[in-house]
Amino acid sequence: ELVLTQSPGTLSLSPGERATLSCRASQSVSSIYLAWYQQKPGQAPRLLIYGASTRATGIPDRFSGSESGTDFTLTISRLEPEDFAVYYCQQFGSSRQTFGQGTKLEV
Amino acid sequence: QVQLVESGGGVVQPGRSLRLSCATSGFTFSNYGMHWVRQAPGKGLEWVALIWYDGSNENYADSVKGRFTISRDNSKNTVYLQMNRLRAEDTAVYYCSRGLHYYGGYVNDYWGRGTQVIVSS
Repeated sequence: ELVLTQSPGTLSLSPGERATLSCRASQSVSSIYLAWYQQKPGQAPRLLIYGASTRATGIPDRFSGSESGTDFTLTISRLEPEDFAVYYCQQFGSSRQTFGQGTKLEV
Repeated sequence: QVQLVESGGGVVQPGRSLRLSCATSGFTFSNYGMHWVRQAPGKGLEWVALIWYDGSNENYADSVKGRFTISRDNSKNTVYLQMNRLRAEDTAVYYCSRGLHYYGGYVNDYWGRGTQVIVSS
């Protein structure tokens, strides 16, 4: 079973700083099937990025995704106050989707 | 606009059954796959099930296979999750999400607000 491991577990930054979140796959994953989601407390997840680097509808361009082999990265170029949340990576290409365990981005 | 509204959650005893519904609007339902994803208290996201746009195929997480059944009614723009033989570890918020077909996979592009299921005696 494919496992996605996110790091760090918690990332403490300030508004205006750059955030780099990582997601490592236990086996080869096509970047086509890699997505990132944001979840705020008490809310449903929101799709940010899919296909490793394609922004979903309405997502600001400070969010970007990239990949290198089995390592995937979500970058938030300049943090806004509303960006502090939990972020999940996901692979959706197999018959069973899997999510990473999440990275909490806190102030 | 795209809307997904889950219902049917509640408190149920172990071993009993529950049926969740997700009513949708704002898009052509029959063109999209539909997922159920759950989140246990204080935990991360766990994918539960997917049904293809035409209902021709279903996929399940190992943790629910044989106990849960996903189905859809394209005439009512609604997807369902029948949950049988419930266990305490099924306690979670259950989200339905739309599956956008993308190169053979279904990415979860819109989500409902979720419905709470508590399995307890």
